[in-house]
Amino acid sequence: LAKTTQPISMDSYEGQEVNITCSHNNIATNDYITWYQQFPSQGPRFIIQGYKTKVTNEVASLFIPADRKSSTLSLPRVSLSDTAVYYCLVGDPAGKSTFGDGTTLTVKP
Amino acid sequence: GAVVSQHPSWVICKSGTSVKIECRSLDFQATTMFWYRQFPKQSLMLMATSNEGSKATYEQGVEKDKFLINHASLTLSTLTVTSAHPEDSSFYICSARDTAYQYGYTFGSGTRLTVV
Repeated sequence: LAKTTQPISMDSYEGQEVNITCSHNNIATNDYITWYQQFPSQGPRFIIQGYKTKVTNEVASLFIPADRKSSTLSLPRVSLSDTAVYYCLVGDPAGKSTFGDGTTLTVKP
Repeated sequence: GAVVSQHPSWVICKSGTSVKIECRSLDFQATTMFWYRQFPKQSLMLMATSNEGSKATYEQGVEKDKFLINHASLTLSTLTVTSAHPEDSSFYICSARDTAYQYGYTFGSGTRLTVV
């Protein structure tokens, strides 16, 4: 399983766009990149998944460069309720998921 | 979307007793489920892979005789913490994948175990 590296923490203000970058230099050809959000005392929640280029859904965008050695989760116009820990996972979507340390995002008013 | 139900959401038990945690996939079948534990301010640590109809696969360092996993049906996996000790106090989370949903895993809401 590819190891991932994320910033430990990030601060932002309401209404701003937040970009969280994840490094995964050892990503394998068949690996997908998946991002999860976790609130305290809750299980993680799926945000977005991608393989290459750009993926967008109703809550976020995921940018993946051609070499796939990194990825960036983009959260548009964050609110206070987006304060959470965000995890980047790399691996086979059908296989087990190993969580890294995650990024604690704090959104301030 | 796929829903995974975990029960109980919290439990307090005495040292030396056993506690069972249930993980159910409510609207899909899951041949594979995963169990994690999470200590405060830390990330999730994969404990084991639960396979329907066969033995669970445990990660290195996880005692299989202490954390008993049973996956007797396509919608239910259970984790039993045997002879619990205070150091077993943690947040336990299960996950499963709905292959029809395609993307990612669905996690349960977690179980807070406190051993006193």
